[in-house]
Amino acid sequence: AAGVIQSPRHLIKEKRETATLKCYPIPRHDTVYWYQQGPGQDPQFLISFYEKMQSDKGSIPDRFSAQQFSDYHSELNMSSLELGDSALYFCASRQLGGSNTGELFFGEGSRLTVL
Amino acid sequence: GENVEQHPSTLSVQEGDSAVIKCTYSDSASNYFPWYKQELGKRPQLIIDIRSNVGEKKDQRIAVTLNKTAKHFSLHITETQPEDSAVYFCAASEGGADGLTFGKGTHLIIQP
Repeated sequence: AAGVIQSPRHLIKEKRETATLKCYPIPRHDTVYWYQQGPGQDPQFLISFYEKMQSDKGSIPDRFSAQQFSDYHSELNMSSLELGDSALYFCASRQLGGSNTGELFFGEGSRLTVL
Repeated sequence: GENVEQHPSTLSVQEGDSAVIKCTYSDSASNYFPWYKQELGKRPQLIIDIRSNVGEKKDQRIAVTLNKTAKHFSLHITETQPEDSAVYFCAASEGGADGLTFGKGTHLIIQP
């Protein structure tokens, strides 16, 4: 079965650089979420999209932005990177409508290291 | 916003014994409570979830209970096995497209 695809899996950047992470949700899933997980920490909710519209916003820094495109894939853009941005970034998707359970499926994550 | 407290942070049990992890939440509007298992460097994986219209749910060796009045929910794992060793996170949300608020996690260690 198709899963949530994230790219790149690993990314190394310098401070003050910019990074873009991509997420391809499971086909027919209408909702995408982004989470940030620092080492030894719990996942922190950043932002979500439902049917390509921003739906909920969590602890996303102003330096970060995200969008969901017409094909439902999503991108997380991070600018002016700081050392503290080093983390695992997870994308997750679910289908809110329909008769399924609405289970949230996580991608494998993108590991960002800021030097 | 929602705040989820999780205890204990580390739990060590003998193989075959039961393990219980407890969480409390603050937002009475929350109505969806999933539990995730995460192995080091891997993605969180849903092991069981419960919605506010249900008090208890069981799936083989795993069960979750919810007390909406007290705003707490618990994960119960019976007959623990070495492969149960991982970090477990509880979470809460109002459902829909709202993001999950996670607890800080419990490192479960199964002693052989």
